Amino acid sequence: DAGVTQSPTHLIKTRGQQVTLRCSPKSGHDTVSWYQQALGQGPQFIFQYYEEEERQRGNFPDRFSGHQFPNYSSELNVNALLLGDSALYLCASSPAGGNTIYFGEGSWLTVV
Amino acid sequence: GESVGLHLPTLSVQEGDNSIINCAYSNSASDYFIWYKQESGKGPQFIIDIRSNMDKRQGQRVTVLLNKTVKHLSLQIAATQPGDSAVYFCAENIDTGGFKTIFGAGTRLFVKA
Repeated sequence: DAGVTQSPTHLIKTRGQQVTLRCSPKSGHDTVSWYQQALGQGPQFIFQYYEEEERQRGNFPDRFSGHQFPNYSSELNVNALLLGDSALYLCASSPAGGNTIYFGEGSWLTVV
Repeated sequence: GESVGLHLPTLSVQEGDNSIINCAYSNSASDYFIWYKQESGKGPQFIIDIRSNMDKRQGQRVTVLLNKTVKHLSLQIAATQPGDSAVYFCAENIDTGGFKTIFGAGTRLFVKA
């Protein structure tokens, strides 16, 4: 039973570029949440997707957007990248009716 | 506000001793709390959870205590091992017509052999 999988694991982008990160939830999970974790800090909630819609959002600008597909997988898109967007981006999934989130290993984004 | 904080940023313990990691939360409406362990280069891993109608829950070598009166959460690790070295996060679920899980800054646990 595969857990939460994310791709790519590492990537480097230039300021102003756009990036897409991908996530496949744990089998049986239908809700996906995205987090940003800067070095030395706790994960910060970006948004959550359920039934292909953004259900709630944290304090992140509109440059951060997402999508959920019918198979429950999800993408995180970040436009107009800034140096401060360099972080570990974590995807977490939870089952229908459940309230515990389980994380993937993350995607390390470096903006230069 | 929404915040989950930790009293100590680092904790160093001797192998075999018990570890206690503390956490304060501010949202009195939160009804579910979770502890996660994050090893270097990996995503956070679920350790143990507790609902607000409980004050103690035990797992394998770990115990979580919840004191709602003072909004305090703690994680106790018995017979700490080198493999327990990691950053530990407490988190709380905030019900917003769904839920979101809010994390604190974390405590780094060092286990000395």
